[in-house]
Amino acid sequence: KAGVTQTPRYLIKTRGQQVTLSCSPISGHRSVSWYQQTPGQGLQFLFEYFSETQRNKGNFPGRFSGRQFSNSRSEMNVSTLELGDSALYLCASSNTGGLNEQFFGPGTRLTVL
Amino acid sequence: GNSVTQMEGPVTLSEEAFLTINCTYTATGYPSLFWYVQYPGEGLQLLLKATKADDKGSNKGFEATYRKETTSFHLEKGSVQVSDSAVYFCALSDHTGTASKLTFGTGTRLQVTL
Repeated sequence: KAGVTQTPRYLIKTRGQQVTLSCSPISGHRSVSWYQQTPGQGLQFLFEYFSETQRNKGNFPGRFSGRQFSNSRSEMNVSTLELGDSALYLCASSNTGGLNEQFFGPGTRLTVL
Repeated sequence: GNSVTQMEGPVTLSEEAFLTINCTYTATGYPSLFWYVQYPGEGLQLLLKATKADDKGSNKGFEATYRKETTSFHLEKGSVQVSDSAVYFCALSDHTGTASKLTFGTGTRLQVTL
């Protein structure tokens, strides 16, 4: 069974630009969660999608948004990039969320210059 | 809100030494507890989990017991190997209905030397 895939793996943007990251969950998984990992703040929850609906959200500004498609693939978008958005963005999928194990992808390393 | 506190790293051990990485948590209700491991350049891998008090999670020689009375979930391994060098994250799962999110500790870097 293929694991969680994330594209692209690396991305360099400049301040003010916007970026879209993609996550393909494990086949059959309907829950996709996104996390931001930085040296200063550690791992922080962004949001969770299940069956195309956002059902949990972390404490991030509205510049961070996401969506999920009918095939469970998910995208997250960051608009008006700031230097502080430089981070590793991790996507995790699970069968239903809740108590089920979350399987993480390798992440997308975003650098904002 | 929920939080996880784990010991600062880095932790440097010789091969075959005993490992303990402390983790304590603050949460409402009855969270599930996890240890994840991150190898360089990779995402997180679930190492072990425990879903209720007194449960012991174990995998690859690592163990952790869910202690509700001390709100702790310390990770232990009797004999570490060089290949165990990685960053270890303690986490809890906060359930709100069927939704969930993981709250992570800051991570503890383990370096094992020959």
